[in-house]
Amino acid sequence: KQEVTQIPAALSVPEGENLVLNCSFTDSAIYNLQWFRQDPGKGLTSLLLIQSSQREQTSGRLNASLDKSSGRSTLYIAASQPGDSATYLCAVFNTGGFKTIFGAGTRLFVKA
Amino acid sequence: DVKVTQSSRYLVKRTGEKVFLECVQDMDHENMFWYRQDPGLGLRLIYFSYDVKMKEKGDIPEGYSVSREKKERFSLILESASTNQTSMYLCASRPPAYGSPKSYEQYFGPGTRLTVT
Repeated sequence: KQEVTQIPAALSVPEGENLVLNCSFTDSAIYNLQWFRQDPGKGLTSLLLIQSSQREQTSGRLNASLDKSSGRSTLYIAASQPGDSATYLCAVFNTGGFKTIFGAGTRLFVKA
Repeated sequence: DVKVTQSSRYLVKRTGEKVFLECVQDMDHENMFWYRQDPGLGLRLIYFSYDVKMKEKGDIPEGYSVSREKKERFSLILESASTNQTSMYLCASRPPAYGSPKSYEQYFGPGTRLTVT
């Protein structure tokens, strides 16, 4: 059974720092991995999607990497800003399945 | 851009009421999902649908039903609302695997915060 873990559960950094959020999964037979952002009381916004055949994806200050064999993904945020404060969730979609499995999220706070 | 909309952002209902949560997507996606999100429990799948009039139970279907009469609309029904159904409800849609460079990318609506008193 696929399990997705995100560490740390919460993170507080000063503005301008580069930071890394971690996501690990137990079953490497994934089709893709998706990173989301969620603001308090709101829905999930898709940030990046990495197909299983890809190693990384970039969007602006965000870079997501995928190492399927080790069951890990990282989300790198460059030059963090207070507006980046949110909860970040990763989710994996298994081959041969229908469900997306979500991690519990990392709550990020960027101090001005 | 894909757009997923939900009928209400906030809803307050009484115990025993029948509650309808509506979700509409405008990208012709076959797959649609209903989740609930609770502190400490993360996102949990209630029901999903892979085609019109088709539905499958998720991980926590008890106390809920769904309806998908049209491809763009997926409704979640609480037959008799209870206080333990107070939660954030999130709808999502997803294209099929074939022919899309963003296969299986999931898109979420803004959520409905339901309070049952």
